[in-house]
Amino acid sequence: DAKTTQPTSMDCAEGRAANLPCNHSTISGNEYVYWYRQIHSQGPQYIIHGLKNNETNEMASLIITEDRKSSTLILPHATLRDTAVYYCIVRPPEYILTGGGNKLTFGTGTQLKVEL
Amino acid sequence: DVKVTQSSRYLVKRTGEKVFLECVQDMDHENMFWYRQDPGLGLRLIYFSYDVKMKEKGDIPEGYSVSREKKERFSLILESASTNQTSMYLCASSSSDRARVGYTFGSGTRLTVV
Repeated sequence: DAKTTQPTSMDCAEGRAANLPCNHSTISGNEYVYWYRQIHSQGPQYIIHGLKNNETNEMASLIITEDRKSSTLILPHATLRDTAVYYCIVRPPEYILTGGGNKLTFGTGTQLKVEL
Repeated sequence: DVKVTQSSRYLVKRTGEKVFLECVQDMDHENMFWYRQDPGLGLRLIYFSYDVKMKEKGDIPEGYSVSREKKERFSLILESASTNQTSMYLCASSSSDRARVGYTFGSGTRLTVV
């Protein structure tokens, strides 16, 4: 899996947009960008993924630069419940990986703290 | 609501005991995983399975074994628990179907070995 670089921590005011950056300059052609988050004392939760186009779902938006070397996860109206560690992961999609290649590797992520 | 269920949220065991951590998923996923998470070390993969009765070692398999007799169930076994196995254990599953994206994690089992 391609290496990613994320800031260690970020703060955001409740109700404002939280923009979490991720650098993945060594991403290869068949690798997607995935975002997960982990709220304290819970298991990680899948948020969104994308290949090269911007994506949006009910949880967040994902903006991928044209050269695909970086991306930004956007939480449009952050709430206190969005306080969590956010992980950016770059890898081929699950349906391509078979057998032993299918494991998911987490880095250290970004600790997002949403405050009043 | 689809999910991954781990049998215990909190568990306290004595050194030397044999410990079973159970994980069940109801999504018909082919792949299942066991991770442990420790402060400062992040999530580390212990074992995973991509089919019934198939298993592969992850990054830290020492002291653990696994069993997958049925597609929906993946068990982690600590043959002789030790204090350095005190940790949060997370089970996850995923599909090999291109229409089904992402890993689903359980809520975790916090194991304390005394």
